[in-house]
Parts: sequence; structure tokens; C-alpha cells
Amino acid sequence: NAGVTQTPKFQVLKTGQSMTLQCAQDMNHEYMSWYRQDPGMGLRLIHYSVGAGITDQGEVPNGYNVSRSTTEDFPLRLLSAAPSQTSVYFCASSLTTGGNEQYFGPGTRLTVT
Amino acid sequence: DAKTTQPPSMDCAEGRAANLPCNHSTISGNEYVYWYRQIHSQGPQYIIHGLKNNETNEMASLIITEDRKSSTLILPHATLRDTAVYYCIGLIYNQGGKLIFGQGTELSVKP
Repeated sequence: NAGVTQTPKFQVLKTGQSMTLQCAQDMNHEYMSWYRQDPGMGLRLIHYSVGAGITDQGEVPNGYNVSRSTTEDFPLRLLSAAPSQTSVYFCASSLTTGGNEQYFGPGTRLTVT
Repeated sequence: DAKTTQPPSMDCAEGRAANLPCNHSTISGNEYVYWYRQIHSQGPQYIIHGLKNNETNEMASLIITEDRKSSTLILPHATLRDTAVYYCIGLIYNQGGKLIFGQGTELSVKP
């Protein structure tokens, strides 16, 4: 198993641009989520999904959209990038319905200028 | 979620046991204690969790006090690769995966 994969690893955007961060898992996990981590801070939940076709907002959802058309993929879309969205983004998945034992991807480092 | 308190940093000699404490005096009866770690620049890694009994797996042991107000994560033979930030999190079992990471303990394993 490749586990949780994320692309790209690094990205630089200009203010106002849009892009999609990709996340995929090959473990047949129902639960997937997106976090962001700012320097010196803990992770904050952006959006999560308990299964294909079901998504919900986390702690900091503004400026981000998600969809879950398949079990394997959970892309995160930045609609109009802002410097405040400069961060490291982590995708995670979990086999359990509770979602507490999560497997994290390697992260995408995004800079918005 | 239970508020957890951890020391900001600890050192440990390579090959020795690393004992990382966590206070969670407000933990409720149905909240589990979860431990994650984050090695520099990597995604967090799940380590172990428990409710009230001590737990052990291939990575670590978790000792929870009888009153459940505190716990200790034990890495029995720390290596340099165990240098990381360790997070203690209180979660209801079907929390929906809404992990809330505090500041954690930065463990430095030294040769």
C-alpha cells in the first residue's frame, strides 16, 4: 500500500489564483480529512468526509471547498488564494467510523504571494 | 474535549526510556487518551490510545492513572528517530476524527 499520498509537495500561488490539492489513499478508508498547520502551531481541521458523497466543515473551512466522489480521493480546492492560506496542508484517512486513528500524508507546502 | 497539559520540551538519552507525561484532569468518562507524534516536516503519526487500562503496542506503552487524570507515554528504548513533537489528545471514541492538536511536548533524543 502507498498509504496516503498528496500532490504537489510544494506550490507557490499568486493572490487570487485557484488550485486543487490532491489527496488519495489506497487503504479503502471511509474517513478522510484535511488539516492545515501554520508555523509553530498545531493542526487545524479544514474539512472532513465520512464516506463518498458526504463532506462536512471543520474548524477553519472558509476559502476551501471539498468533494468526495470516490472512496479513494478527497481533493481540496482553494477558490481564490490569499496570503493567509500560506501553510502546510495535511490530508489524513481513517478506517474506523470514529476516525480517531488517522494516517497522515506527507503534506503540501503552499506559499501564496 | 478534555484539556490536556504537556511539558513543552524534554530530553532523553539514546537507548534510555522516554517517559512523556500528560495531565487531563477534566477528562470525561467516555473520552479516550490518544497519542500522536510529528517528526519534523512530516505528517503526524498515530501511536497509541487507551481508556483506563494500560496499553502496549509495538511502538510504545501507555500508562493511565487510576483516576484517569493523567497518563504517561513510554518509549522503552528511545532512538534518534524518536525525536519529534508528541501530542496527547482526549477524544470520545466516535469523535468523528476531529483531532485537536495542542502544543505538545518536543522530545529531543540525544546520543
